[in-house]
Amino acid sequence: GENVEQHPSTLSVQEGDSAVIKCTYSDSASNYFPWYKQELGKRPQLIIDIRSNVGEKKDQRIAVTLNKTAKHFSLHITETQPEDSAVYFCAAVSGGGADGLTFGKGTHLIIQP
Amino acid sequence: NAGVTQTPKFQVLKTGQSMTLQCAQDMNHNSMYWYRQDPGMGLRLIYYSASEGTTDKGEVPNGYNVSRLNKREFSLRLESAAPSQTSVYFCASRRAVAYNSPLHFGNGTRLTVT
Repeated sequence: GENVEQHPSTLSVQEGDSAVIKCTYSDSASNYFPWYKQELGKRPQLIIDIRSNVGEKKDQRIAVTLNKTAKHFSLHITETQPEDSAVYFCAAVSGGGADGLTFGKGTHLIIQP
Repeated sequence: NAGVTQTPKFQVLKTGQSMTLQCAQDMNHNSMYWYRQDPGMGLRLIYYSASEGTTDKGEVPNGYNVSRLNKREFSLRLESAAPSQTSVYFCASRRAVAYNSPLHFGNGTRLTVT
């Protein structure tokens, strides 16, 4: 099955700086890569996703890049703000995708004032 | 639309007790999932139902059973709870198994087994 590795486990950045979270996946058949944000005590919520036929996608201050050859994808957050503090999960869908998403173990992003 | 609704929000069980976690979605989604979340472990799939009438094991199915009652409802049962099942449980759904269909999560059930 699919295996997703996520780094770092904790990331602390100064408010206004950029943050980058990286993930690698094992199944070359994976073709959909969403990112979820989970605030403390709340449910994970989709913030951005990318399909395998696209190399980069942006939505305001967040962007995701995908390198299918190297089997890795990254989340970039620019001009970080206090409300960006949360746990971020990457995920991948392999094959037919019937069994949902395989998640990374999460990155705790801390925005320092 | 309420989205994905889970009950209860909190539960404390003694070892050996049983309980059922309920999940319902009102988005007419075909596929439903149960995940557990433990510190440092991310979200791990317990069971899923790709469509009404089917259920399959995920990564960590031992100690659990599921029922896809109808298209809307997907329940998770712990027959004999163990302390290792202390976790936060999330139900999720998505429109179909199509690869570009995102998951929508419920608010979670925090379960403690003593």
